[in-house]
Amino acid sequence: ETVLTQSPGTLSLSPGERATLSCRASQSVDSSYLAWYQQIPGQAPRLLIYGASNRATGIPDRFSGSGSGTDFTLTISRLEPEDFAVYYCQQYGGSPPCSFGQGTKLEI
Amino acid sequence: QVQLQESGPGLVKPSETLSLTCTVSGSSISSYYWSWIRQPPGKGLEWVGYIYSSGSTNYNPSLKSRVTISVDTSKNHLSLNLTSVTAADTAIYYCARGRGGSHYWGQGTLVTVSS
Repeated sequence: ETVLTQSPGTLSLSPGERATLSCRASQSVDSSYLAWYQQIPGQAPRLLIYGASNRATGIPDRFSGSGSGTDFTLTISRLEPEDFAVYYCQQYGGSPPCSFGQGTKLEI
Repeated sequence: QVQLQESGPGLVKPSETLSLTCTVSGSSISSYYWSWIRQPPGKGLEWVGYIYSSGSTNYNPSLKSRVTISVDTSKNHLSLNLTSVTAADTAIYYCARGRGGSHYWGQGTLVTVSS
């Protein structure tokens, strides 16, 4: 079973700073099937990154994804006030067929 | 534009069956995967299962014995049935297009399990 562990659980930063969020898999994940989402309270998740490093339509270029195998990273280069939210990674190519990490809360 | 809308009872009694529908507009159901994801209040996302338009399914092993997902291509909607519910099934239920890396999501519907 592929378990995704995100770290840190909470990240406290200021606007303009750089954020680095980690997603570690218990077994290797095909990077083609690794996604990142942003969720603002009261809203549905919003797709940021798919295939580990591809920005979804309309996502600003301050968001970038990287990694392979068991270690994946979401980087936000310069935080804007609207970026403070919860971030989830998702794998959809392993066993079970889909799973999410527990989330990282990015707070001011 | 593609829109998904979940609908169904907001309150279900323990031991009964939770039934939700996701109506899709702006996209055909055909030739896509469609997923159900849930989120207990204040907690993270949990994958429930997905279905391809042909009807083949994959379910979360922890829910597999209680879950059925189906599609109706004539009505362009998909459905979720979850049997023998308990308070632990209280959550916002989302439908989404794709089996992962989903760009299109519904707004979600809160289902509370309580007598």
